[in-house]
Amino acid sequence: SQTIHQWPATLVQPVGSPLSLECTVEGTSNPNLYWYRQAAGRGLQLLFYSVGIGQISSEVPQNLSASRPQDRQFILSSKKLLLSDSGFYLCAWSPGRGEPQHFGDGTRLSIL
Amino acid sequence: GQNIDQPTEMTATEGAIVQINCTYQTSGFNGLFWYQQHAGEAPTFLSYNVLDGLEEKGRFSSFLSRSKGYSYLLLKELQMKDSASYLCAVSLNTGGFKTIFGAGTRLFVKA
Repeated sequence: SQTIHQWPATLVQPVGSPLSLECTVEGTSNPNLYWYRQAAGRGLQLLFYSVGIGQISSEVPQNLSASRPQDRQFILSSKKLLLSDSGFYLCAWSPGRGEPQHFGDGTRLSIL
Repeated sequence: GQNIDQPTEMTATEGAIVQINCTYQTSGFNGLFWYQQHAGEAPTFLSYNVLDGLEEKGRFSSFLSRSKGYSYLLLKELQMKDSASYLCAVSLNTGGFKTIFGAGTRLFVKA
């Protein structure tokens, strides 16, 4: 069966520091991968999605970036975090476009 | 633009039936999903509707009317553990099959 791993679970970072969140999927090949952010009491905001290695689509212009160095690895990065980057970050995968997405456990990011 | 509306909060009694409505206005439609999200946790997939009609899965059922831009999630025999947020999401058939999520409905189940 397929599983998705996301880490770390919680992270506290100072303003201006870099960020790297990692997500890996097991048990499937060539998944579609997604990064979302969820502010408290709000819906999910799609940040990036990828349909293959090295193929990244950005939905929201911001100081975040994403990379997909391997088929089942998706990384969310920032060179300099802002206070507004705080939130609950979720990685998800789906077998193909338009199919149900399955989420990792999420990373709760607090910026001080 | 893309818009998904669902009630912010609902309260129901253990053992009862509750219906959570969702209306959407989107440019392009590929399918509609319902997810359950417990506080502090990630969403988990519940159901998927592509065609009009009712999809039943145990205590959960989901209905879709594409012409009306309307869906509902029906939860039967409510249990305390059903207290959670329920997210309605629409998959678009444009822009790389992007999925748009509603803000969610917080359901409180009381004894």
